[in-house]
Amino acid sequence: GAGVSQSPSNKVTEKGKDVELRCDPISGHTALYWYRQSLGQGLEFLIYFQGNSAPDKSGLPSDRFSAERTGGSVSTLTIQRTQQEDSAVYLCASSLAKANTEAFFGQGTRLTVV
Amino acid sequence: GQSLEQPSEVTAVEGAIVQINCTYQTSGFYGLSWYQQHDGGAPTFLSYNALDGLEETGRFSSFLSRSDSYGYLLLQELQMKDSASYFCAVLSGAGSYQLTFGKGTKLSVIP
Repeated sequence: GAGVSQSPSNKVTEKGKDVELRCDPISGHTALYWYRQSLGQGLEFLIYFQGNSAPDKSGLPSDRFSAERTGGSVSTLTIQRTQQEDSAVYLCASSLAKANTEAFFGQGTRLTVV
Repeated sequence: GQSLEQPSEVTAVEGAIVQINCTYQTSGFYGLSWYQQHDGGAPTFLSYNALDGLEETGRFSSFLSRSDSYGYLLLQELQMKDSASYFCAVLSGAGSYQLTFGKGTKLSVIP
């Protein structure tokens, strides 16, 4: 596609429910990143995929969070048993996985846990 | 792991020059990037420095000193539309390309 696409753009869920957030990276981009951004805060790294390598999951805040990337393209971030502190904007970015390259961000999914 | 430090807020007058500093600690350093994010928007790429020195792109310039683990973003001829958050980010890793962001600097441009 023309850019990184994320869906849904907004999600309101009840505490304790599971949610899935989707990211469609730019075609050909082998690197895919997930970040979380609370209101007025910085970008908190969650997970990084590069090609067929094992993902870097070091940023996942708890075992309720998981992510997968199928076929080296689309990625899904799953949050189980959501808590109110999970409320944030979840941003996905992709890049060509080499030096001197930029990451392109999607518009994010705004998650609200009520 | 990686860590980056940048000021949380900066205020500057329209037409002036402002410098946003960033210091970092990382291993396997490739380069330092800067991203701009307007309220409610997605971060967008501004610049990337892999080598020491100053890179200029229009009104924006970015500087890197690898020996000092330090960089800055320089914005000249400030315009109201430059009011946004600015993030420095290190690209690092041994064979991977991990992109780690600072907490961001909120720039407010005032008339």
